[in-house]
Amino acid sequence: EAGVAQSPRYKIIEKRQSVAFWCNPISGHATLYWYQQILGQGPKLLIQFQNNGVVDDSQLPKDRFSAERLKGVDSTLKIQPAKLEDSAVYLCASCRWRNEQFFGPGTRLTVL
Amino acid sequence: AQTVTQSQPEMSVQEAETVTLSCTYDTSENNYYLFWYKQPPSRQMILVIRQEAYKQQNATENRFSVNFQKAAKSFSLKISDSQLGDTAMYFCAFLGSAGKSTFGDGTTLTVKP
Repeated sequence: EAGVAQSPRYKIIEKRQSVAFWCNPISGHATLYWYQQILGQGPKLLIQFQNNGVVDDSQLPKDRFSAERLKGVDSTLKIQPAKLEDSAVYLCASCRWRNEQFFGPGTRLTVL
Repeated sequence: AQTVTQSQPEMSVQEAETVTLSCTYDTSENNYYLFWYKQPPSRQMILVIRQEAYKQQNATENRFSVNFQKAAKSFSLKISDSQLGDTAMYFCAFLGSAGKSTFGDGTTLTVKP
């Protein structure tokens, strides 16, 4: 089966610009996660979707980050405006309910 | 809130030897899952092994096994017969009843020839 797809793979932007990331989960996986992974650290959960509903977004900086999962399949994560400290790899993962997570290749964001 | 602690930022092991990576966690839940994931350099995160908290038997997967101590909230990973391809960052992860996922900060493992 096809894995989790993410795009773009790399993005370089100036601070205060906006950026969007896209994720296509594995077919049939109802749960989708977005993580932020800063170099040398573990993935930090930003938001968790179950189908098209938000289960947990307690660690999402809502003043600048937003995410949606229309129709319970693809998802987008947006940052507006970006700050220097947003430089990180953004990982998308999907799974069947409470099971092993399958990760995409990530999007490496550099904010200058 | 759940926390996951990996106290060994870096470890190394000689090829063919055994190494154990430590993980402790804190939770008030009783029904949860624990995972070890592997993230090779510049490659995607993949599952190494999983453990259901209600199972007393420790999970094993070929050269990988865990020592799950529920009362102590400890979940260590043992890698036997280490191979060069085991060089990676290893993450311990907790999955709670609501599906909320918490990762540790990882242990960088280097297997030396």
